[in-house]
Amino acid sequence: GENVEQHPSTLSVQEGDSAVIKCTYSDSASNYFPWYKQELGKRPQLIIDIRSNVGEKKDQRIAVTLNKTAKHFSLHITETQPEDSAVYFCAESYGQNFVFGPGTRLSVLP
Amino acid sequence: NAGVMQNPRHLVRRRGQEARLRCSPMKGHSHVYWYRQLPEEGLKFMVYLQKENIIDESGMPKERFSAEFPKEGPSILRIQQVVRGDSAAYFCASSPVGLAGAHEQFFGPGTRLTVL
Repeated sequence: GENVEQHPSTLSVQEGDSAVIKCTYSDSASNYFPWYKQELGKRPQLIIDIRSNVGEKKDQRIAVTLNKTAKHFSLHITETQPEDSAVYFCAESYGQNFVFGPGTRLSVLP
Repeated sequence: NAGVMQNPRHLVRRRGQEARLRCSPMKGHSHVYWYRQLPEEGLKFMVYLQKENIIDESGMPKERFSAEFPKEGPSILRIQQVVRGDSAAYFCASSPVGLAGAHEQFFGPGTRLTVL
C-alpha cells in the first residue's frame, strides 16, 4: 500500500534561519502533494501544494520542491519566525485518496 | 461560505457508551474524509465517503466503528461501546468533486473525544 515517510520528526531552528522538511512516497501514480500546518489544538491547514507537472512552487517564505524520479518532495521555510512553530504534515494523493506523513514538529527559537 | 463544521467540539463518554460525531462539509463538497489523531501523533486515515457511498473504509476498525454520509444531512462517525483507547481527536475533511486529480482537503475543527 501507499506509504509516506517524513523527516525529521522534530526540528529546532533559530529565528531567521531556514527549515527544510523532506517526504518520500511509494506510489508512482501520485500526482498531488499538499503540505499542512497544524498549530497546537487547532485544525490542519493547507500552506502550499504542488502537482506532479511542476518541479517547484514558491509562496513568499514557503517553497516546495518535487522530484518525481526519486519520489520525494520537500518543504522549505526561509527566514523562520516564532509563529512558524507548529507540526507540519506532508501528504500524497492520487485521485481522491490521501496518505499523510507522520508529521514534523518545528520549533523556532527566538 | 462556511467552512467544514464538526460537532460536538468536545465529547465525554463513559466506557460502553456510544459516541456520535457529526461533520458538515463545505458547501459544494461531496467528498468527506474522517481522520483520527492521538496526542503528539499524526493523522490516521479512517474512512472516505461520498454521498450515500463508502468509498474506502480501510482505516476504520471493523468492529464498533461505522460511518455514513446520507443524501441529506451531515456525515456521521459512530463509535459503539467506547473504550479508553478511543480517546482522541477526530477530524473531518471535505473536498470538492475532482474532475482532474485531487483537490485540497479542508479540515473541520475536530471533535475531541474523552472516554472515562
